[in-house]
Amino acid sequence: GQQVMQIPQYQHVQEGEDFTTYCNSSTTLSNIQWYKQRPGGHPVFLIQLVKSGEVKKQKRLTFQFGEAKKNSSLHITATQTTDVGTYFCAGSNAGGTSYGKLTFGQGTILTVHP
Amino acid sequence: EAQVTQNPRYLITVTGKKLTVTCSQNMNHEYMSWYRQDPGLGLRQIYYSMNVEVTDKGDVPEGYKVSRKEKRNFPLILESPSPNQTSLYFCASSSSWEQYFGPGTRLTVT
Repeated sequence: GQQVMQIPQYQHVQEGEDFTTYCNSSTTLSNIQWYKQRPGGHPVFLIQLVKSGEVKKQKRLTFQFGEAKKNSSLHITATQTTDVGTYFCAGSNAGGTSYGKLTFGQGTILTVHP
Repeated sequence: EAQVTQNPRYLITVTGKKLTVTCSQNMNHEYMSWYRQDPGLGLRQIYYSMNVEVTDKGDVPEGYKVSRKEKRNFPLILESPSPNQTSLYFCASSSSWEQYFGPGTRLTVT
């Protein structure tokens, strides 16, 4: 079955440093989503990428979808303490605009030291 | 307020005692899904539903049942819980690509 690997598992940074987490899928994806989960909270949707080579930005966050649609990355510029949490990618093979079966990566736990 | 609710939020039970975790959404979403979250494993999909009376298995369906008789509700049923089903469970709903997650149910099976 489809597998989505995410690295690193943990990342400790000083406030102001950059952060990147990577996802790799064993199969070609139709879309990939990114979520953030604060400690003790529930996952919150950040973004969806659909097109090959797509790059989207949300303020200090940059999301990329690989040309082969098998990998993706999330980059945070100049981290802040509010960025603390676990970041998950989730891939789907479903077409259209709904998910169907969705496979999550293991997540990257980000700690930001002030 | 648009939301996904789960009940109970916390549950401690014993092996073999049937239980149901309810999930309800007030956004008229067609898609609903259940996940379990375990340390180091991320979120794993248990079952999902594309609409009323349409359900399908996710990656870890063994030991679980679901039903979707109404659009707003998607209960998760554990007929005979076992200790390896101790986990944090999340329900989610979506109308397109943005999934809304419930607050989670922490289940302990002794």
